[in-house]
Amino acid sequence: AQTVTQSQPEMSVQEAETVTLSCTYDTSESNYYLFWYKQPPSRQMILVIRQEAYKQQNATENRFSVNFQKAAKSFSLKISDSQLGDTAMYFCAPYTSGSRLTFGEGTQLTVNP
Amino acid sequence: EAGVAQSPRYKIIEKRQSVAFWCNPISGHATLYWYQQILGQGPKLLIQFQNNGVVDDSQLPKDRFSAERLKGVDSTLKIQPAKLEDSAVYLCASSLEIGTDTQYFGPGTRLTVL
Repeated sequence: AQTVTQSQPEMSVQEAETVTLSCTYDTSESNYYLFWYKQPPSRQMILVIRQEAYKQQNATENRFSVNFQKAAKSFSLKISDSQLGDTAMYFCAPYTSGSRLTFGEGTQLTVNP
Repeated sequence: EAGVAQSPRYKIIEKRQSVAFWCNPISGHATLYWYQQILGQGPKLLIQFQNNGVVDDSQLPKDRFSAERLKGVDSTLKIQPAKLEDSAVYLCASSLEIGTDTQYFGPGTRLTVL
């Protein structure tokens, strides 16, 4: 079974600054996928970024990027130029074939004006 | 492209009553998921369908929860009878294929059991 640890229950950042959310996971698989989802107060779960474990290059989506360290089983999310609309709960979720998407407990990010 | 649709958005019921939730996935998506998200926690998979067949229902409390996906498109999740601990947000998601395709989520149904 997969386990996911998000060690920061809450974080805050000033608008326009950079923040990094951490995530570690445990899997015995060599090929898998990793996702970050955000869930704003509206409760809609929105995909932020996706990383394939076989790719060495870290995924980037506009202001969002990841630092994927496969050997350490670490998958952190960096948000640059934080905006008020980034305020949300962020979930890390690994996925292996034959298993299921496993969500961490989440990190509540607040962007302050 | 229309996203995943869910209804109702909110539901309040008394314990021991029954309730049903509806989900319409993104057009063409073969795989449909139902998740339960208790306040303060990450979502937990209840059941996964591939077309109209069940792939994984190992975490579904089958004594009170049931789900179906007739014709491989829309799906309904039912709780009968409801308990206080069923108060949660019920999320529906869909993906193009089973496996590692990205899952897209609907807005969820917030259930309160009194």
